[in-house]
Amino acid sequence: GNSVTQMEGPVTLSEEAFLTINCTYTATGYPSLFWYVQYPGEGLQLLLKATKADDKGSNKGFEATYRKETTSFHLEKGSVQVSDSAVYFCALSSMEYGNKLVFGAGTILRVKS
Amino acid sequence: DGGITQSPKYLFRKEGQNVTLSCEQNLNHDAMYWYRQDPGQGLRLIYYSQIVNDFQKGDIAEGYSVSREKKESFPLTVTSAQKNPTAFYLCASRSGVSNQPQHFGDGTRLSIL
Repeated sequence: GNSVTQMEGPVTLSEEAFLTINCTYTATGYPSLFWYVQYPGEGLQLLLKATKADDKGSNKGFEATYRKETTSFHLEKGSVQVSDSAVYFCALSSMEYGNKLVFGAGTILRVKS
Repeated sequence: DGGITQSPKYLFRKEGQNVTLSCEQNLNHDAMYWYRQDPGQGLRLIYYSQIVNDFQKGDIAEGYSVSREKKESFPLTVTSAQKNPTAFYLCASRSGVSNQPQHFGDGTRLSIL
């Protein structure tokens, strides 16, 4: 079945540091890939998405590239801010799986000033 | 503003009680979903509905029930058969167009008295 694996956290960085959160997936067919962010006590917000191989999703300085050859969708940001502290979820959906979202376990990011 | 409204934000249940969580969307989305989130874990799918008057079990449906009588509404009932109901519950919706992301509400936190 479909599955998503994310790097374990928490990830602790100083402000302005470079961020990478690894995400790999297993899926049948051609999934769409997503990164969601969750701030404390809130629901999930879509951060970015990519729907086919080599697509790059980007938003608010975050980027991720859909790599079919390595089945990866790593999240990156060149310079993190304290306000980026949150939980980040990688997820996929595919038509073969009824468009249901399959989530990774989430990665806690803590940014210190 | 279009969006998903979950209510209440906090809910308390006594042993042996059923409680119903509300989810309303004005995005004209066809599909709606309920997830459960436990501390430090990812999201698990409880039930989903792709059209009005139809719904399917997700991965952890036992002890829960839903209805979808209107496109805008997808209430979740946590029954007394759910032995460990304390969790954060998230509702999401999605348009019927392929490759579109799910959009989430702000969640309801359910606790047992």
